[in-house]
Amino acid sequence: QSVLTQPPSASGTPGQRVTISCSGSSSNIGSNYVYWYQQLPGTAPKLLIYRNNQRPSGVPDRFSGSKSGTSASLAISGLRSEDEADYYCAAWDDSLSGRVVFGGGTKLTVL
Amino acid sequence: EVQLVQSGAEVKKPGESLRISCKGSGYSFTSYWISWVRQMPGKGLEWMGRIDPSDSYTNYSPSFQGHVTISADKSISTAYLQWSSLKASDTAMYYCARHEGFDYWGQGTLVTVSS
Repeated sequence: QSVLTQPPSASGTPGQRVTISCSGSSSNIGSNYVYWYQQLPGTAPKLLIYRNNQRPSGVPDRFSGSKSGTSASLAISGLRSEDEADYYCAAWDDSLSGRVVFGGGTKLTVL
Repeated sequence: EVQLVQSGAEVKKPGESLRISCKGSGYSFTSYWISWVRQMPGKGLEWMGRIDPSDSYTNYSPSFQGHVTISADKSISTAYLQWSSLKASDTAMYYCARHEGFDYWGQGTLVTVSS
């Protein structure tokens, strides 16, 4: 079981807005930044959102992140077929001498 | 351009040792920690541990402590992940990634352990 909890799957039709949740605890999301990654099939993960809601250059503004308490969300608006991928959240966890923890991943299907 | 380039795929037998590498370029290698991340076939991402290349200080996930060793050679901007005795359960894709936030990733090294 992953320390951060994500739904295993999500789906939407082109143009729709979808959100992916990530639930943690006070030792990780509650006290540290949240990061989101996109992993297209057969490729390395790519940073999508850093420090809760910041987008690296080159990431479309259709992607946005938010955090409240011990939960975070990734929102994708104007869904496109190329958004079909696995999405992971991550955060630093202050327990056990410190470690990075990931969510189990959410497979997004564009119908 | 920042790049992390990993060594090629490996096929090993149980009990054998292995070291894979991750070479950084396009930035000051000693200014950013490097982490290693495991992805078993069809599964999610698991953080294994990290190293500060400036002084080789390491920090491991409890799940991997004692099973792998992370090291670095700052003179050649390269981080390493090594095993002294591989198991079939070590079969996975291994990625290196740069802190903070894993803004850059290596392309991955596929390790297959099979008798």
